[in-house]
Amino acid sequence: QVQLQQSGPGLVKPSETLSLTCTVSGDSINNYYWSWIRLPPGKGLEWIGYVHRTGTTNYNPSLKSRVTISVDTSRNQFSLKLSSVTAADTAIYYCARDRKDSGDYYFDYWGQGTLVTVSS
Amino acid sequence: QSALTQPASVSGSPGQSVTISCTGTSSDVGSYTLVSWYQHHPGKAPKLMIYEDIKRSSGVSNRFSGSKSGSTSSLTISGLQAEDEADYYCCSYAGSSTHVVFGGGTKLTVL
Repeated sequence: QVQLQQSGPGLVKPSETLSLTCTVSGDSINNYYWSWIRLPPGKGLEWIGYVHRTGTTNYNPSLKSRVTISVDTSRNQFSLKLSSVTAADTAIYYCARDRKDSGDYYFDYWGQGTLVTVSS
Repeated sequence: QSALTQPASVSGSPGQSVTISCTGTSSDVGSYTLVSWYQHHPGKAPKLMIYEDIKRSSGVSNRFSGSKSGSTSSLTISGLQAEDEADYYCCSYAGSSTHVVFGGGTKLTVL
């Protein structure tokens, strides 16, 4: 059974960097692509970006200048960094397994979600 | 404003059927058979229900079905049950650089 466990702070100050980590268990991180997705209050889901074990990344064009997603295959983890945050970045952040590997482009396993609030 | 358009809310009584629409463009929904649907109970992780427009994810009840016509995809839930009350999101592949786009979500209320 694949499980994704998220960790990271729930409160970030404006202009600082949001950092979250997702630890994968039940499967190797090497076999798939891995995405971060967020749900702002009162809005719809928004794809942030993905990473592959090779280090290949792709980011949402609207966030590209502020996002870095990395992978640590030795720890079966991948991480999100979002810089220069503002109140508009307040959201529930999810990590998810991305089935880009099979050309299907859906998310079949999700983390539990982390509510990140941007506030001083 | 989300890339895909969904109704904000739908409702139905137990046992009835409801359909949630998801309208995109020729750049996403209309160009690929790659629409997926997610059920989201607040406080929980979203759950994959439908992928590749019409395929049910493993373990999902056959009361859930997907369809598509042109640039509009639809999720139909038949035999409504109380536990179906949730938010539903559609998602479509939109090309290699954009990757995927989501709808704004539809709140399903079981009356």
